[in-house]
Amino acid sequence: EAGVTQFPSHSVIEKGQTVTLRCDPISGHDNLYWYRRVMGKEIKFLLHFVKESKQDESGMPNNRFLAERTGGTYSTLKVQPAELEDSGVYFCASSLGGGRSHEQYFGPGTRLTVT
Amino acid sequence: AQRVTQPEKLLSVFKGAPVELKCNYSYSGSPELFWYVQYSRQRLQLLLRHISRESIKGFTADLNKGETSFHLKKPFAQEEDSAMYYCALSQMNRDDKIIFGKGTRLHILP
Repeated sequence: EAGVTQFPSHSVIEKGQTVTLRCDPISGHDNLYWYRRVMGKEIKFLLHFVKESKQDESGMPNNRFLAERTGGTYSTLKVQPAELEDSGVYFCASSLGGGRSHEQYFGPGTRLTVT
Repeated sequence: AQRVTQPEKLLSVFKGAPVELKCNYSYSGSPELFWYVQYSRQRLQLLLRHISRESIKGFTADLNKGETSFHLKKPFAQEEDSAMYYCALSQMNRDDKIIFGKGTRLHILP
């Protein structure tokens, strides 16, 4: 079975440009999470979808970040306009639904470099 | 404040020697504690969680609520244990965000 996939694996953009990251969760997983690791810092939570609804977006840094999960399948995370401090590795994770602390399975990450 | 602290950024241990990766936490609710591992060129994966009380790849971790610690231990290190290890927590019995420590890079010396 395919695990969580993310696209692209690496993106290099200039400050002020827009980038869209995509995450395909494991089929049947209702929960989808986005995390980010900025250089030298810990992996930090960004937001959590349950199906197509945003359950918790308390970790989103500012309104330059927009996440969607139309139809409750794949999710996109758009950064517009990108700033230098947005550079880092963006991870997506998914887990089964049901609210019982299911294991989160992580994707390989997208390395975003803003120059 | 909800926080996971891993005091060591890098830990070098000789093959066959015991390993202990330290982790302390602060959390206001009922936490579930985890250790995640990321091997070179692989994705982040769950190593173990405190509620399962399993030993995975020879690693164990005991939750000490009094000391708010969840140290990871292995009696005899192997070269394939070299990886980045993250201590983490989440709210018990809920599908909730994970709070990670900064990670400890474990380097097993031959």
